[in-house]
Amino acid sequence: EAQVTQNPRYLITVTGKKLTVTCSQNMNHEYMSWYRQDPGLGLRQIYYSMNVEVTDKGDVPEGYKVSRKEKRNFPLILESPSPNQTSLYFCASSLNANRGQGIYNEQFFGPGTRLTVL
Amino acid sequence: GIQVEQSPPDLILQEGANSTLRCNFSDSVNNLQWFHQNPWGQLINLFYIPSGTKQNGRLSATTVATERYSLLYISSSQTTDSGVYFCAGSQNSGGSNYKLTFGKGTLLTVNP
Repeated sequence: EAQVTQNPRYLITVTGKKLTVTCSQNMNHEYMSWYRQDPGLGLRQIYYSMNVEVTDKGDVPEGYKVSRKEKRNFPLILESPSPNQTSLYFCASSLNANRGQGIYNEQFFGPGTRLTVL
Repeated sequence: GIQVEQSPPDLILQEGANSTLRCNFSDSVNNLQWFHQNPWGQLINLFYIPSGTKQNGRLSATTVATERYSLLYISSSQTTDSGVYFCAGSQNSGGSNYKLTFGKGTLLTVNP
């Protein structure tokens, strides 16, 4: 089954304790991205990756790191989590194929990770 | 960046009723999607619809790209349709970041 998976789905941690949220897709997609969703602020992009070893900042990258060593994986790293990073996190991927008019990039989202930082 | 406006913000229906949700964009988008966020928080892809009309069961969507809006139609609504409906669009920006910009969503409640 084609899908985007995230782990863990739920995490409660304490300030300053490094954590990693994994993201994996089995669709051979080039583009991957992380978003966070907060009440009243909607979904905002954290980081994105156009391909292996190619990553760049989104709108709210502070306090996060990413890496893209393999095409299928795009982990999100919080080196020193703080309470303002409590949020619902989504990983997404898209094929980014040129199909006729423009780039086809329907994005598929993982199930989300609810993170609470105390 | 583009602005996405959804209407109505809230909608309460009786089971069996029909509804239309609207999404307006401040600028042209090359990729437009509709999602349903269920009560567990999962974002479910409904339609990828940069232009034209698509149908999937009781749901259909129409995008008029030249006028920068999209409509989602729900017919014969069921309680399981409850949740938040988002539209989102992206542009092929200079940095090739296909960031999706989401609207604030329409909270749909379908009562039995």
